[in-house]
Amino acid sequence: NAGVMQNPRHLVRRRGQEARLRCSPMKGHSHVYWYRQLPEEGLKFMVYLQKENIIDESGMPKERFSAEFPKEGPSILRIQQVVRGDSAAYFCASSPRDREEEQFFGPGTRLTVL
Amino acid sequence: KQEVTQIPAALSVPEGENLVLNCSFTDSAIYNLQWFRQDPGKGLTSLLLIQSSQREQTSGRLNASLDKSSGRSTLYIAASQPGDSATYLCAVRSVGAGSYQLTFGKGTKLSVIP
Repeated sequence: NAGVMQNPRHLVRRRGQEARLRCSPMKGHSHVYWYRQLPEEGLKFMVYLQKENIIDESGMPKERFSAEFPKEGPSILRIQQVVRGDSAAYFCASSPRDREEEQFFGPGTRLTVL
Repeated sequence: KQEVTQIPAALSVPEGENLVLNCSFTDSAIYNLQWFRQDPGKGLTSLLLIQSSQREQTSGRLNASLDKSSGRSTLYIAASQPGDSATYLCAVRSVGAGSYQLTFGKGTKLSVIP
């Protein structure tokens, strides 16, 4: 049973470009969470999705950031018009049910904005 | 708003020593607490999950305890090895609004000296 998969592992973008980060949850998991780890900071929750639904996006910046988890395919975190402050590690986690269940994390995507 | 603090921020010990990492949280209304390990440039590996009704969990040389009423958890590592060198993260899942998300501490960076 493969773990949570994220790609790309490393992504370099110039200011103003778009970044697309992909996350495939573990088999049988229908809940996906995105977290961001800024340099020298702890991981911060961004968004929680189920298939075709955004459940909680309270941690997402109001502009330029969006997330989806379509019926088929991976979850996508999209950052439009990237700025240097977006440089961070973005982690995806999945779980089979919410609340008591463990969250299993992927290896992360490290975004560098030049 | 839940806040998680980990002390110390960094710890260096000689190989073979037993050690304790500390985690405190401000709101005792939690579903569970997880300890993770993060290696440089890598993702998070879940070490132990303690449900709110439990007092401790053990896995190999690791033992985690939870005192929910005082808002504290400890991770005990026995007979430390150089391979234990990593950053250890504590995260809680709180009851109520935002219960889907994990709130992380900033971690304790452990170095085990051969």
